[in-house]
Amino acid sequence: EDKVVQSPLSLVVHEGDTVTLNCSYEVTNFRSLLWYKQEKKAPTFLFMLTSSGIEKKSGRLSSILDKKELFSILNITATQTGDSAVYLCAAVVAGNNRKLIWGLGTSLAVNP
Amino acid sequence: DSGVTQTPKHLITATGQRVTLRCSPRSGDLSVYWYQQSLDQGLQFLIQYYNGEERAKGNILERFSAQQFPDLHSELNLSSLELGDSALYFCASSAGAGQGISSYNSPLHFGNGTRLTVT
Repeated sequence: EDKVVQSPLSLVVHEGDTVTLNCSYEVTNFRSLLWYKQEKKAPTFLFMLTSSGIEKKSGRLSSILDKKELFSILNITATQTGDSAVYLCAAVVAGNNRKLIWGLGTSLAVNP
Repeated sequence: DSGVTQTPKHLITATGQRVTLRCSPRSGDLSVYWYQQSLDQGLQFLIQYYNGEERAKGNILERFSAQQFPDLHSELNLSSLELGDSALYFCASSAGAGQGISSYNSPLHFGNGTRLTVT
């Protein structure tokens, strides 16, 4: 059965810390991996990763995919209170129709 | 702003009732996805439409139905509501349906959700 597991489930850090969130996947016909940030409302798109070893960066956030070991990490450096959110990852699976397998998310709380 | 519009924002209704949630996708997006999110279950895929046709079904109950109209907006109908149906319902849209490289490379963009409370 296809599955995506995120760890840790929950994380509390102080402002300025660096955090690493993990997303491992076991899916058939993997195509890409998506990262989203969810505050109180809609998940907002962060990154799409399709190639192994190529880092994607956006400000203090970066992410990389390892297709051999079947995982991705999301790094946030110099965390700020505004980074507090649930971070979701999803594996995109190929087939007759694209299917997304979602993890349960990592809840990040950044304390001042 | 993702460009995906959902109405209403909040809905409170009693058990046994029926409600309709509405979604307007981003301009140009042909695919609409419906998700249910409850506290303990994460994002659960319900159903997908592409250009007016049903494309994929997930964990959607028989009491729930959806459709996508010619103007590409979509409605999710929930009937015979139960307490356990209380959740956030998200709509997302994307450019493609999942076939072809461009489809796989187009991420989903989510609306702000409708919070349904069944009392």
